[in-house]
Amino acid sequence: GGIITQTPKFLIGQEGQKLTLKCQQNFNHDTMYWYRQDSGKGLRLIYYSITENDLQKGDLSEGYDASREKKSSFSLTVTSAQKNEMAVFLCASDGGFSAETLYFGSGTRLTVL
Amino acid sequence: GEQVEQRPPHLSVREGDSAFIICTYTDSATAYFYWYKQEPGAGLQLLMSVFSNVDRKEEQGLTVLLNKKDKRLSLNLTAAHPGDSAVYFCAVSDDTNAYKVIFGKGTHLHVLP
Repeated sequence: GGIITQTPKFLIGQEGQKLTLKCQQNFNHDTMYWYRQDSGKGLRLIYYSITENDLQKGDLSEGYDASREKKSSFSLTVTSAQKNEMAVFLCASDGGFSAETLYFGSGTRLTVL
Repeated sequence: GEQVEQRPPHLSVREGDSAFIICTYTDSATAYFYWYKQEPGAGLQLLMSVFSNVDRKEEQGLTVLLNKKDKRLSLNLTAAHPGDSAVYFCAVSDDTNAYKVIFGKGTHLHVLP
């Protein structure tokens, strides 16, 4: 079986700082996703990528950049961290058309001081 | 755009009782329906998926009902046990862009021993 690895697991930043989150998958999946999870708000799509070097904006892309350097990795950058921001960022991947095959990493928990 | 409402946000049941979670959606083109489970500190794990031509699906103590007329999706856990304590999310996507899955806000289920 495959695995999705997110690093770091915990990230503490300062207001205004640029922060980068990384995701690696060894499923050989084509499509990768970044979601933001806030308490009481479910998951919201930030960016997704259907192949290497492809980027597609989700509903919450403002304030973020993403990069799909190679098929197995997808990184997300918070361009300017907001004070008191707290959220979990989840990376996912899937190999087929439907989202039935979505596999999630365990998340990066961001805290901005 | 698609709106997904999930309730209740919090649910406590005793071991052996049933737990019932419901989601409503707004877009009649919605074709794919999912239930995910998230344990503490982990990503989301797919429990069951249902396509629009299915009204009922049962697997391992879980029953998913889909009422397309009322745009309602439900999950019933029969004979819940403490290991079922987690956050449960419904999710939907449509035929036009299965990449954009819309999630409900989640239900925190607590099963009391």
